[in-house]
Amino acid sequence: KQEVTQIPAALSVPEGENLVLNCSFTDSAIYNLQWFRQDPGKGLTSLLLIQSSQREQTSGRLNASLDKSSGRSTLYIAASQPGDSATYLCAASIQGAQKLVFGQGTRLTINP
Amino acid sequence: GAGVSQTPSNKVTEKGKYVELRCDPISGHTALYWYRQSLGQGPEFLIYFQGTGAADDSGLPNDRFFAVRPEGSVSTLKIQRTERGDSAVYLCASSLIGTSGVNEQFFGPGTRLTVL
Repeated sequence: KQEVTQIPAALSVPEGENLVLNCSFTDSAIYNLQWFRQDPGKGLTSLLLIQSSQREQTSGRLNASLDKSSGRSTLYIAASQPGDSATYLCAASIQGAQKLVFGQGTRLTINP
Repeated sequence: GAGVSQTPSNKVTEKGKYVELRCDPISGHTALYWYRQSLGQGPEFLIYFQGTGAADDSGLPNDRFFAVRPEGSVSTLKIQRTERGDSAVYLCASSLIGTSGVNEQFFGPGTRLTVL
């Protein structure tokens, strides 16, 4: 059974810093790993998707990596801005299943 | 429409009542998913449709929960004899599963269900 963990649950950093959010998963037979952003009271916005054959994906100031052997993914945010404040969720699907298994999220606050 | 839409955005009901939640997926997306999110938690999978059929309903908590997608587009999640523990945000997602196997799921804004 795939389990996904995100640590820390909350993170507060000053504006302009580079930061890394962590995601770990138990089943290395991962198919896709997807990072989402969720603003308070809103749905999920897809940020990046990494296929099992890939090591990383980049979009603007965001870079996500995947290491199946260690069961880890990271989301790197460069030059953080107050508008980046949100909850970030990672989710994994495993081979043969389309459903996503989510972590509990990291609530990120960027202080001006 | 441009994205996944869900109605209603909020639903307040009394314990024991029946509710229906609706999801309109992105046009052309063959796969549709329902998830449930409790406060402070990540979403939990409920059911997945490929076309009109439920390909995986392993996440439905009990037989009070049922979902349909009769024409392979719009889906309705139905909850009978609601309980206070059913209170949560119900999220719908859709995707187009490509030949490469990429399955990027796009989520709607959710329906906040409150059972009094």
